[in-house]
Amino acid sequence: DTEVTQTPKHLVMGMTNKKSLKCEQHMGHRAMYWYKQKAKKPPELMFVYSYEKLSINESVPSRFSPECPNSSLLNLHLHALQPEDSALYLCASSQGSGQVVHEQYFGPGTRLTVT
Amino acid sequence: GNSVTQMEGPVTLSEEAFLTINCTYTATGYPSLFWYVQYPGEGLQLLLKATKADDKGSNKGFEATYRKETTSFHLEKGSVQVSDSAVYFCALLLYGGATNKLIFGTGTLLAVQP
Repeated sequence: DTEVTQTPKHLVMGMTNKKSLKCEQHMGHRAMYWYKQKAKKPPELMFVYSYEKLSINESVPSRFSPECPNSSLLNLHLHALQPEDSALYLCASSQGSGQVVHEQYFGPGTRLTVT
Repeated sequence: GNSVTQMEGPVTLSEEAFLTINCTYTATGYPSLFWYVQYPGEGLQLLLKATKADDKGSNKGFEATYRKETTSFHLEKGSVQVSDSAVYFCALLLYGGATNKLIFGTGTLLAVQP
């Protein structure tokens, strides 16, 4: 089973709202990722967690706050977003990271609209 | 730097036509190479991979061979179907110390007409 699940599938929020995106995998993977994808563009890496510790933050604005409560779960907390943050947010996981290259498996994404 | 270059789309084909989507890469080390597919309104699915030179990845009738001498990983399929209509992303992955980062090409939209 190579399934990564994400909830919600769609989210509409105002610029003053606080919301969270959730991602879950049960493949025993130890690396998890958040990507942002704008229309007709490739995904852009936002954050990487390796063994539940944040290992990469690609200079993402502080209005995006990631959290990894355990090795199966990854959250992205959203606060005071801007309309330009509207995008498809993709979660991915891989077996590990570091000394061995492992392919990443993606979830279906959350379509976020900021009004 | 490390980068991936894909052919511009859209690519429009008739059903049962032969497909080639070109992908070349620049990398400072020895990358693993991937093709991902994204169907409309969905996330990315891993289509195939190759981890070293001369490896051939294959899945669902698609194939790609890792060519170190030409730094290429072209995607091919002998007979496309309407259901293959999607965006295809070529990507490379390098061991990066603390973690690995996927580097994507710009994507190629494939439209297959009946």
